[in-house]
Amino acid sequence: AQTVTQSQPEMSVQEAETVTLSCTYDTSESDYYLFWYKQPPSRQMILVIRQEAYKQQNATENRFSVNFQKAAKSFSLKISDSQLGDAAMYFCAYRRRSGNTPLVFGKGTRLSVIA
Amino acid sequence: DAGVIQSPRHEVTEMGQEVTLRCKPISGHNSLFWYRQTMMRGLELLIYFNNNVPIDDSGMPEDRFSAKMPNASFSTLKIQPSEPRDSAVYFCASSLRLTVAGYEQYFGPGTRLTVT
Repeated sequence: AQTVTQSQPEMSVQEAETVTLSCTYDTSESDYYLFWYKQPPSRQMILVIRQEAYKQQNATENRFSVNFQKAAKSFSLKISDSQLGDAAMYFCAYRRRSGNTPLVFGKGTRLSVIA
Repeated sequence: DAGVIQSPRHEVTEMGQEVTLRCKPISGHNSLFWYRQTMMRGLELLIYFNNNVPIDDSGMPEDRFSAKMPNASFSTLKIQPSEPRDSAVYFCASSLRLTVAGYEQYFGPGTRLTVT
């Protein structure tokens, strides 16, 4: 079974600084997707960024980028120029590529942004 | 598009009562997922459907939980009888299967269930 591990229950960052959230996963599959979701206090799940495992290039979305290390099964999220609105729970998630299968989530990292 | 719609947004009930949570997926989506979020267990899959057919219900905690998808635009998750340990946020998500863009799941706002 696939598992996703987020080893940092809580992180904090100064406004305008950069922070990196860690995620590791375990799978025997070779083709899959990885995601970072943001959950603000409103509890809405918001997709931040996604990575296809077959792509070597790391995904970027504005201030958000990932460091995808397939051999190490590592998928970290870097947030640059942190803003107060970035404060939220962040979940790393995995999904097999074949079919339309469910997401497997990590336990989450609570990010605080200090003004 | 209105997105995934869930109702009610909040539900408070007494132990032993029947609870029904509802979900309307995004029009045209043919996969639907029910997740539960608790502090202890995080986000976990309860059940999912493809083309209205249940594919995997191994996450349903016990027989007190049941889910149906009578048509492509509606699904229910029922708990009978409810217990305090069922208190959680229940999310519904939908996606479009077998397309290039079909890897993204769109989440509803969730239903916060409190069983006293």
